[in-house]
Amino acid sequence: EDKVVQSPLSLVVHEGDTVTLNCSYEVTNFRSLLWYKQEKKAPTFLFMLTSSGIEKKSGRLSSILDKKELFSILNITATQTGDSAVYLCAASANAGGTSYGKLTFGQGTILTVHP
Amino acid sequence: NAGVTQTPKFQVLKTGQSMTLQCAQDMNHEYMSWYRQDPGMGLRLIHYSVGAGITDQGEVPNGYNVSRSTTEDFPLRLLSAAPSQTSVYFCASSSLLRGSLYFGPGTRLTVT
Repeated sequence: EDKVVQSPLSLVVHEGDTVTLNCSYEVTNFRSLLWYKQEKKAPTFLFMLTSSGIEKKSGRLSSILDKKELFSILNITATQTGDSAVYLCAASANAGGTSYGKLTFGQGTILTVHP
Repeated sequence: NAGVTQTPKFQVLKTGQSMTLQCAQDMNHEYMSWYRQDPGMGLRLIHYSVGAGITDQGEVPNGYNVSRSTTEDFPLRLLSAAPSQTSVYFCASSSLLRGSLYFGPGTRLTVT
């Protein structure tokens, strides 16, 4: 059974801190690892990682994938109160080309950033 | 572009009632799916479709039916609602080429 585990489950920091969120996965025929941010509504897409060791960046957020050790991290530098959200990691698998979007999600990490 | 739309936003049902959650997308995405989100359980896949006329079960399909008669629409039917189906339901779509999901705003369903 495919499994995605995130840690920590919750994290409280102050503005300006740097945080690292972890995601490990066990997925048969792994294809890609995705990160989403969820505030009080639907998840919004952050990154999709398919290759090991290549960092993806978007402003203060960055993410990297290690396909040998089966994990990914999401870094947020200089955190702001607007970064407070649930961060979801998900892994997708190949299955004859029909599994696009058939993601296995982790439980999420609740990040709270205090002013 | 409206993206992925869902109706209704909120619904309260009594045990045993049936209803349909509507989902539509205007991005010409081949792939559409339904997830439910429960506290501490993340998002779990209910059903998905890779094109009109093609559907398949996800992780938690029992108690739900889907159909895909057009590319745009993917309704989710609850046949006989149970309190265990109290949840937030998200519809999501993607192109088969790109693979990253775009989510609708969600439907909060309560079954009493």
